[in-house]
Amino acid sequence: EVQLVESGGGLVQPGGSLRLSCAASGFTFSSYEMNWVRQAPGKGLEWVSYISSVGSTIYYADSVKGRFTISRDNAKNSLYLQMNSLRAEDTAVYYCAKNNWNDPLDYWGQGTLVTVSS
Amino acid sequence: QLVLTQSPSASASLGASVKLTCTLSSGHSSYAIAWHQQQPEKGPRYLMKLKSDGSHSKGDGIPDRFSGSSSGAERYLTISSLQSEDEADYYCQTWGTGIRVFGGGTKLTVL
Repeated sequence: EVQLVESGGGLVQPGGSLRLSCAASGFTFSSYEMNWVRQAPGKGLEWVSYISSVGSTIYYADSVKGRFTISRDNAKNSLYLQMNSLRAEDTAVYYCAKNNWNDPLDYWGQGTLVTVSS
Repeated sequence: QLVLTQSPSASASLGASVKLTCTLSSGHSSYAIAWHQQQPEKGPRYLMKLKSDGSHSKGDGIPDRFSGSSSGAERYLTISSLQSEDEADYYCQTWGTGIRVFGGGTKLTVL
């Protein structure tokens, strides 16, 4: 059974940093592309970042470029999102999701809540 | 610019059928999309991949009541024999080099 479990969310002050993790199991993690998607309270889904299966290709949404860094450790079956210079508008539930090459996101985690507030 | 447009809301009666629409922006009518369901207070769930020719492949455990179809730049999700648990937000999603895009979502109310 595919499982994606996010962790690391919490309350952080504006300008602060947080590192999210996503633990993967039930599939060959190193063969799949991974993404972070977020959802602000009461709002829709917003794609945040993508990383290729071997980590050689990375993309970011304009809203987080230069502040967030995605990475993965295939030996640990884990995906990460380092979030710096956090703003109030980064407050959201953050989901990790996987996809196969040239395919849509096909499994999602349950999400972890990040709240940026003083 | 790659954009997906969805109606904000839809409603249908228990046991009836409903057809949700997702429209691709101009110049992108050949793109495949995916449909995702998000029940209240839950994470999203992948329903299906839907191609421009209307062919679709569903995710694990998705009931036959869910089907997809296409016409031009429009992609449809049809849910038949509506059940109470189908009341949810439905998002379409597409992708290109360096980008994943979501529609704004349609909130489905089952009456």
